Amino acid sequence: DGGITQSPKYLFRKEGQNVTLSCEQNLNHDAMYWYRQDPGQGLRLIYYSQIVNDFQKGDIAEGYSVSREKKESFPLTVTSAQKNPTAFYLCASSRKQRSNQPQHFGDGTRLSIL
Amino acid sequence: KQEVTQIPAALSVPEGENLVLNCSFTDSAIYNLQWFRQDPGKGLTSLLLIQSSQREQTSGRLNASLDKSSGRSTLYIAASQPGDSATYLCAVRPDSWGKLQFGAGTQVVVTP
Repeated sequence: DGGITQSPKYLFRKEGQNVTLSCEQNLNHDAMYWYRQDPGQGLRLIYYSQIVNDFQKGDIAEGYSVSREKKESFPLTVTSAQKNPTAFYLCASSRKQRSNQPQHFGDGTRLSIL
Repeated sequence: KQEVTQIPAALSVPEGENLVLNCSFTDSAIYNLQWFRQDPGKGLTSLLLIQSSQREQTSGRLNASLDKSSGRSTLYIAASQPGDSATYLCAVRPDSWGKLQFGAGTQVVVTP
């Protein structure tokens, strides 16, 4: 079955540590996205990528970094510069960024501070 | 800047009752609007996508309407079941290159 796999499901970060969240898709989608979800709030876009080796900042990119070396993979690194990283992180993909196709989501990674 | 609002934040209904979920947006110039379902601790599942030229979309017991001029969309779920309990989010896409703007969601509980 095609889909999006996010790992790990739960992640704990120590002070001053960088952590990387994995997102892999086998839907052959060109566009991929990272969102952050806080309790009682809508999703906010962190980064998105329309094609391999290219990505753009979303609304809340500070303290985060990404790479897109392969079409199927879009890892997100939460750096020590992100002072409030505790949140639910969701990865999504769509056929193309410019299209009417819906976005498909993974099951998320919950990040907490130790 | 586009603002997307979903009221109420939470809703509880007895099984069998029809559900009516509201989504309002401030800028009527949208490309499409999407409704999602989110179960606790899970990702989002796309339910319906309405293009700007459409007035409604239907899938099974779900029907979503769109009124761009008034900045509103409504998701109707007929004959609700306990399995419909989840958080429902709407998201607006401002243009073909634009990013989705999400509402905060309505948490629905359907009691047996």
